[in-house]
Amino acid sequence: QKEVEQDPGPLSVPEGAIVSLNCTYSNSAFQYFMWYRQYSRKGPELLMYTYSSGNKEDGRFTAQVDKSSKYISLFIRDSQPSDSATYLCAMNSGGYQKVTFGIGTKLQVIP
Amino acid sequence: ETGVTQTPRHLVMGMTNKKSLKCEQHLGHNAMYWYKQSAKKPLELMFVYNFKEQTENNSVPSRFSPECPNSSHLFLHLHTLQPEDSALYLCASSQTGREFAQETQYFGPGTRLLVL
Repeated sequence: QKEVEQDPGPLSVPEGAIVSLNCTYSNSAFQYFMWYRQYSRKGPELLMYTYSSGNKEDGRFTAQVDKSSKYISLFIRDSQPSDSATYLCAMNSGGYQKVTFGIGTKLQVIP
Repeated sequence: ETGVTQTPRHLVMGMTNKKSLKCEQHLGHNAMYWYKQSAKKPLELMFVYNFKEQTENNSVPSRFSPECPNSSHLFLHLHTLQPEDSALYLCASSQTGREFAQETQYFGPGTRLLVL
């Protein structure tokens, strides 16, 4: 079993849709959960991070962590064509120890 | 020039060659990182330098040798690589390097490496 599982997609949605991106993990020591966005031919950029369980909102983006299920989500409301990118989840137990990334989900928002 | 720059952008090398990748950041940051991104595989953090000192080496083979002469420059020296080392190598920097999750990292465009 991989430490972090993420569906690579591609996921195609119409403009304005609510997008749900998810990762599952197996290491119960993970405490920090991150979402990155990576446009084609660019490096990743940090969108949001969450510590432990709960929700965090930033504009159209909401990150959700359910530690009991070892499941994290990123929701994008009112999706835009500019949201088309690959979204990577990442997690670790603190500091730089065992930073583990998901494979990334490719999202395409169709105008 | 601003941000994080990497040279070369593309590199083809044979398994017996020795080459170096260069990264330079113009952001006044104190931490720099090397990542490997292979097709259909997760992004891997390879090395972390904090105030020029290597603070993390995630079980990277010795054929990859990092060097950080100062806070603005980072090198990755490559020797006797294998075809499976072909990947996009990304450099990044951040302000303090103290807490991975909480600190925004700024990435360079990467060097696409092909090992024949």
